[in-house]
Amino acid sequence: QKEVEQNSGPLSVPEGAIASLNCTYSDRGSQSFFWYRQYSGKSPELIMSIYSNGDKEDGRFTAQLNKASQYVSLLIRDSQPSDSATYLCAVNTDHTGGGNKLTFGTGTQLKVEL
Amino acid sequence: DAGITQSPRHKVTETGTPVTLRCHQTENHRYMYWYRQDPGHGLRLIHYSYGVKDTDKGEVSDGYSVSRSKTEDFLLTLESATSSQTSVYFCAISESRLPTEAFFGQGTRLTVV
Repeated sequence: QKEVEQNSGPLSVPEGAIASLNCTYSDRGSQSFFWYRQYSGKSPELIMSIYSNGDKEDGRFTAQLNKASQYVSLLIRDSQPSDSATYLCAVNTDHTGGGNKLTFGTGTQLKVEL
Repeated sequence: DAGITQSPRHKVTETGTPVTLRCHQTENHRYMYWYRQDPGHGLRLIHYSYGVKDTDKGEVSDGYSVSRSKTEDFLLTLESATSSQTSVYFCAISESRLPTEAFFGQGTRLTVV
């Protein structure tokens, strides 16, 4: 069973703070990792992808990947109330090159408080 | 949304009836996927397609079938709906055989009574 684990939360942070979301995965062969944001009743929206060890920054978002430790994280700087959502970690667990069959964690609910 | 339309958006059906959900894309992407999302389970892959008439099973394929006769359309059929198939269904697309981003449709909320 290829698993992706996330703390379900809720994770509460004050406005302007850094939110740190974590994800671990079991399949050592995984090569591509994604963070999706999902507002209640809406579809998942891709916010970050990361393929190599280290950090990848995009605006207020930074994805971090450590393949040796099998974890991927998402940092949100200067958190805003509009960031309140569920964040889904997804891992490509298909090593045959057959597209993007993703295994998802159950998501972490983030609440940014005024 | 990246040129993906799901229909219907909401449906209530009775146990034992057949149901077909449609995913239509305007991006000409090769890969299409059907996921279901349930509380406590997250998103789980039902079936996927890697080209016209080329489909394969995901992790929760029992009770579902799919068809793809055109690049732009991917149909998910519940042959005989059961209450355990009450869920939110999402279609996704991605461009190439290499791992790359996948984009999701708006979702279909299906209730089986």
